[in-house]
Amino acid sequence: AQTVTQSQPEMSVQEAETVTLSCTYDTSENNYYLFWYKQPPSRQMILVIRQEAYKQQNATENRFSVNFQKAAKSFSLKISDSQLGDTAMYFCAFMKLVHSGNTPLVFGKGTRLSVIA
Amino acid sequence: KAGVTQTPRYLIKTRGQQVTLSCSPISGHRSVSWYQQTPGQGLQFLFEYFSETQRNKGNFPGRFSGRQFSNSRSEMNVSTLELGDSALYLCASRGGLSTDTQYFGPGTRLTVL
Repeated sequence: AQTVTQSQPEMSVQEAETVTLSCTYDTSENNYYLFWYKQPPSRQMILVIRQEAYKQQNATENRFSVNFQKAAKSFSLKISDSQLGDTAMYFCAFMKLVHSGNTPLVFGKGTRLSVIA
Repeated sequence: KAGVTQTPRYLIKTRGQQVTLSCSPISGHRSVSWYQQTPGQGLQFLFEYFSETQRNKGNFPGRFSGRQFSNSRSEMNVSTLELGDSALYLCASRGGLSTDTQYFGPGTRLTVL
């Protein structure tokens, strides 16, 4: 079974600064996706960024980028120019790819990020 | 395009009752998944439906069930509610051009007294 570990339960960052959230995962699979979702106090889970395991290039989405290290099974999220609206719980998630259709998401426990003015 | 919608947003029930939650996926999405979120256990997968068929099932007791209709709307039912069923229930849909990404609804907060 796959497991996802987020070792930082809470983090804080000053507005406009950069912060990195850590995620490691354990799998014997070779084909999979990794995701970062954010869940603001409103509770709506929002996709931040995704990474296909077969792609060596790290995914980026505006101020959000990842550092994907497949051999180390590490998938960290970097938020640049942090904004107050980035305050949320951030979840790292893993999804195995199978021929018959995709499998459920396996989530980490989350990192609570606070952006301070 | 409208996002995933869930109704109701809040529910209060008492032990022993049953409850039905509803989820309408993004238009064109045929897969609907349900997750339970609690402070202690985090996010746990309940089940996934695709074209009215259950495709995957998590490790939950038989009191938790679901179904999907021909318009892809899904319902989940919990019978004989227990205090531990208090949680945020999240629905997610996927399909269209991006079947590998799940998009979540706002959730239903269930409180069991």
